[in-house]
Amino acid sequence: AQKVTQTQTSISVVEKTTVTMDCVYETRDSSYFLFWYKQTASGEIVFLIRQDSYKKENATVGHYSLNFQKPKSSIGLIITATQIEDSAVYFCAMREGNSGTYQRFGTGTKLQVVP
Amino acid sequence: EAAVTQSPRNKVAVTGGKVTLSCNQTNNHNNMYWYRQDTGHGLRLIHYSYGAGSTEKGDIPDGYKASRPSQENFSLILELATPSQTSVYFCASGRTGGSSYEQYFGPGTRLTVL
Repeated sequence: AQKVTQTQTSISVVEKTTVTMDCVYETRDSSYFLFWYKQTASGEIVFLIRQDSYKKENATVGHYSLNFQKPKSSIGLIITATQIEDSAVYFCAMREGNSGTYQRFGTGTKLQVVP
Repeated sequence: EAAVTQSPRNKVAVTGGKVTLSCNQTNNHNNMYWYRQDTGHGLRLIHYSYGAGSTEKGDIPDGYKASRPSQENFSLILELATPSQTSVYFCASGRTGGSSYEQYFGPGTRLTVL
């Protein structure tokens, strides 16, 4: 069965620095999709970035990038040049490719960016 | 612009009462989902649907029913609400097939069962 684990409950970083949030997953499927979502203080949840398991190149969108380490079943989210507005809860999720219809979410990491 | 809306946004119910949470999407997505969010648990899947007329159980379906009468609408029903169902509920929609599988979330419904 698929499982997604985020062990970092909360992180605090200084503005304009780089932060990495960890996520490890378990699956028996050879094909799968990994996602990161952001939940703002207002409760809104938005999709940020995605990595397909068959792609070797790490995905990048704006100042978000991924560190995909397939042998370690790990998908880290990297935020460079952090801004105060990046303060939020970040969720990692996985969808299995061969049999999956839904995404399984991790418990989230709360990021606080301070001046 | 694609959107997922939920109603009501806040609800206070009494134990044993019936509660219906509604979700509407204009994304024309086949798949829709209901999650609940509780501290320390993240987002947990309650029910989901492949399309009009279908409902499937997620990870925590006990005490909940779902209804998908049309492509656009997906409801979550608590026939006999209990205090343990106090939570924030999110609806989401997503595509079937293609190269894009991300989900689009509604704003959430805060349910308090007294």
